[in-house]
Amino acid sequence: TQLLEQSPQFLSIQEGENLTVYCNSSSVFSSLQWYRQEPGEGPVLLVTVVTGGEVKKLKRLTFQFGDARKDSSLHITAAQPGDTGLYLCAGYNQGGKLIFGQGTELSVKP
Amino acid sequence: DSGVTQTPKHLITATGQRVTLRCSPRSGDLSVYWYQQSLDQGLQFLIQYYNGEERAKGNILERFSAQQFPDLHSELNLSSLELGDSALYFCASSVSWGNYGYTFGSGTRLTVV
Repeated sequence: TQLLEQSPQFLSIQEGENLTVYCNSSSVFSSLQWYRQEPGEGPVLLVTVVTGGEVKKLKRLTFQFGDARKDSSLHITAAQPGDTGLYLCAGYNQGGKLIFGQGTELSVKP
Repeated sequence: DSGVTQTPKHLITATGQRVTLRCSPRSGDLSVYWYQQSLDQGLQFLIQYYNGEERAKGNILERFSAQQFPDLHSELNLSSLELGDSALYFCASSVSWGNYGYTFGSGTRLTVV
């Protein structure tokens, strides 16, 4: 069974701080996606990374796919209260199913 | 509005009952996915349909069933409900399958009492 482990599970920081969320697996994924979910809503796709070593930037968010395509990271620079939410990584397994990590609950305090 | 419509938004029902959750995918999307989200299990894949046909199955209980209709909307049927079935049920859609991002609906919160 391919599993995605996210760390940390919870993160509470002050506005302006930087943070990194990790998504790790022992299995290779054809691609990894990052989603953000707010209370009462469904997850919203932030980015898809496909190539090993790929780096994508979305404003203050930087996403990286590991060279071996087994891990990914999300780095947020100068976090803002609007970044608060549940961050989920997800990967396509060999069966073609998109499986999700348990998520990282981020709270950014003003 | 994501373009994926789920109804109802909230559902409270008693153990042993049967409910139907409905999903209309984003216009142009042929694939529909159902996920269950609970605090202890996270987002769990239940089942996928593509253009009316079942394409992939996850950890879906035998008490649960789903289908996708010719107009591409999908329904998830949950029967003989147990307290442990209380969760958020999400529908998502995508153009096809593979390395495509999913568009999720706002979910149906099911409470079994």
